Amino acid sequence: DGGITQSPKYLFRKEGQNVTLSCEQNLNHDAMYWYRQDPGQGLRLIYYSQIVNDFQKGDIAEGYSVSREKKESFPLTVTSAQKNPTAFYLCASSITRTGGNEQFFGPGTRLTVL
Amino acid sequence: GNSVTQMEGPVTLSEEAFLTINCTYTATGYPSLFWYVQYPGEGLQLLLKATKADDKGSNKGFEATYRKETTSFHLEKGSVQVSDSAVYFCALSNRDDKIIFGKGTRLHILP
Repeated sequence: DGGITQSPKYLFRKEGQNVTLSCEQNLNHDAMYWYRQDPGQGLRLIYYSQIVNDFQKGDIAEGYSVSREKKESFPLTVTSAQKNPTAFYLCASSITRTGGNEQFFGPGTRLTVL
Repeated sequence: GNSVTQMEGPVTLSEEAFLTINCTYTATGYPSLFWYVQYPGEGLQLLLKATKADDKGSNKGFEATYRKETTSFHLEKGSVQVSDSAVYFCALSNRDDKIIFGKGTRLHILP
């Protein structure tokens, strides 16, 4: 079955530690996205990538980093510079970024900073 | 710029009631419009979409019509079930831009 996988489902980290969230898709989509979801605030875009080896900052990129070395993979690193990292993180993909295409979402990773 | 406004929740209804969740948008050009649903602890799933004015998207008994004159895309269902309890997001996507999501509306259906 084609889809998007995120791992792990739950992640705990101590303050001051970097942590990497995995996102893999086998839909052959060019574009991939990372969102952060907090209660009552909907989804906020962190980073997106239209093509391998290229990515752009979204609305709340500070304290996060990404890489896109393979079409299928778009890992997100939450660095110690992110002041309030506890949140639900969602990865998504679309065929291309343009043209009004819908996005397909993974199941999410819930990150808790202890 | 582009924006989406949807009614604040939570919305609480009894089973078999009629559902409307309002959504209005601001956009340049002719965006595509979407409704997504999120069940507890899960990612978002596309519920339905419409790509041009007067299009009606439908799925699982839900419907929404793209109304350009009122810049609206209200979600409706004639008879809700307990299993419809979830958070619903209205969204738009323009040709040259990322998807813009509303803040979500939480729906509770009572048996």
